[in-house]
Amino acid sequence: GEKVEQHQSTLSVREGDSAVINCTYTDTASSYFPWYKQEAGKSLHFVIDIRSNVDRKQSQRLTVLLDKKAKRFSLHITATQPEDSAIYFCAASMSNYAQGLTFGLGTRVSVFP
Amino acid sequence: EAAVTQSPRNKVAVTGGKVTLSCNQTNNHNNMYWYRQDTGHGLRLIHYSYGAGSTEKGDIPDGYKASRPSQENFSLILELATPSQTSVYFCASGDGRGGSAETLYFGSGTRLTVL
Repeated sequence: GEKVEQHQSTLSVREGDSAVINCTYTDTASSYFPWYKQEAGKSLHFVIDIRSNVDRKQSQRLTVLLDKKAKRFSLHITATQPEDSAIYFCAASMSNYAQGLTFGLGTRVSVFP
Repeated sequence: EAAVTQSPRNKVAVTGGKVTLSCNQTNNHNNMYWYRQDTGHGLRLIHYSYGAGSTEKGDIPDGYKASRPSQENFSLILELATPSQTSVYFCASGDGRGGSAETLYFGSGTRLTVL
C-alpha cells in the first residue's frame, strides 16, 4: 500500500521567515494530497490540498508544490507567525474519499521570535 | 458550536473491560471515520461509515467494532480492551461528494488509557 514519509519530525523557524515541509509518497496512482494542521492540545483541521493535475497551489501564505516525477510534495509557509506553530500532517490518496488517505507522521513546526 | 463532538475526552479502562467512544456530528455529512493517533505511526484508520446503518473496516480494525445508528452518531467499541489500545482516538466527518476530494472535520479527540 501507499506509504507517506515526512522528512522532518521537527522544524524551527524564526518569525517572519519561511518554513518548508517535505513529504514523499510511494504509489504513482496517488492523485490527491491534503495537509492538516494540529495545534497544541487541539484537533486536526484542513489547511490546503493539491490535486495531481496541477503542480502548484497557493492559499494566502501557504503554497503546496507537487513533483509527480519525484513523488514529492511540499508545504511552504511564508512570513511565519506564532500561530503557525503546530504539527502539520501531509497525506496522499488515490481516491476522493478519506478512507483512501495515508497520513505522514507529522512535522512539528515551532516559530520563535 | 463544535460540529464534531467526542466523548469522553479522557478515559481510563481496565484490561478486558468494554469501552465505548462516542462521536456526534452536526455537519450532516454522510461519511464518518475513526482514527487512532500514536507516536511513530501517525493517524491510522480503524473504521468508517457511509451513513446510518453502515460500518466498514479501515486499515487496523482488529479489536474494534463500530456502530452508526444515525446520521449524527458514530461509536467505536472495544469489547475487550487491551493495553495496546492505549492511544488518542479521533472521530471525523467527511464532506465527500464524489466529484471532488473529501475534507475531514475532526473532533477534539479521546485519550484512552488501558491499564
